[in-house]
Amino acid sequence: TQLLEQSPQFLSIQEGENLTVYCNSSSVFSSLQWYRQEPGEGPVLLVTVVTGGEVKKLKRLTFQFGDARKDSSLHITAAQPGDTGLYLCAGAEKLVFGKGTKLTVNP
Amino acid sequence: DAGVIQSPRHEVTEMGQEVTLRCKPISGHDYLFWYRQTMMRGLELLIYFNNNVPIDDSGMPEDRFSAKMPNASFSTLKIQPSEPRDSAVYFCASSLLAVRNEQFFGPGTRLTVL
Repeated sequence: TQLLEQSPQFLSIQEGENLTVYCNSSSVFSSLQWYRQEPGEGPVLLVTVVTGGEVKKLKRLTFQFGDARKDSSLHITAAQPGDTGLYLCAGAEKLVFGKGTKLTVNP
Repeated sequence: DAGVIQSPRHEVTEMGQEVTLRCKPISGHDYLFWYRQTMMRGLELLIYFNNNVPIDDSGMPEDRFSAKMPNASFSTLKIQPSEPRDSAVYFCASSLLAVRNEQFFGPGTRLTVL
């Protein structure tokens, strides 16, 4: 059983569309991190959320931490081909990762 | 800084052979992590070190796996004997301070055991 469940597992959209991916757990985390991984490379940190209900924005990416600190979402506005990659959420203090959402943005 | 360096980038070996993966963390980082990534299981923590001391090796699959960190700038992950089910991408990562800090990942070693 995965401690962090990510959905959807795969997502293929057209350039310009909006999307949301989710990271859910039955456990409470003091903080969650989102990473992006491109083919042939290691994951790269995008953001860390630490407060329940927190919203952080990184250009066209919006990250939200659930009030109960058991879930998080990532919303991308007007997706671009450069957003293509595997998005991973991670429970920082437990050093656990979800399996990720593989996003493909088609031109 | 060159980032986390891993070698080799690709390794193909036959079942039963010994495999050694190498990692050089970012200078000054106190934590070093070894992960394994597969399609089925995702990214799994194998072991991590703090100041060269192994802290948690509960993720190491079995006695065939061992990891060492003889100094602050070098770590190895050894599999002996290797099996086909060990085929995966192995990542090394390092971080500056506490566990919750940003982890900087290397490019990974793609291991194929035939």
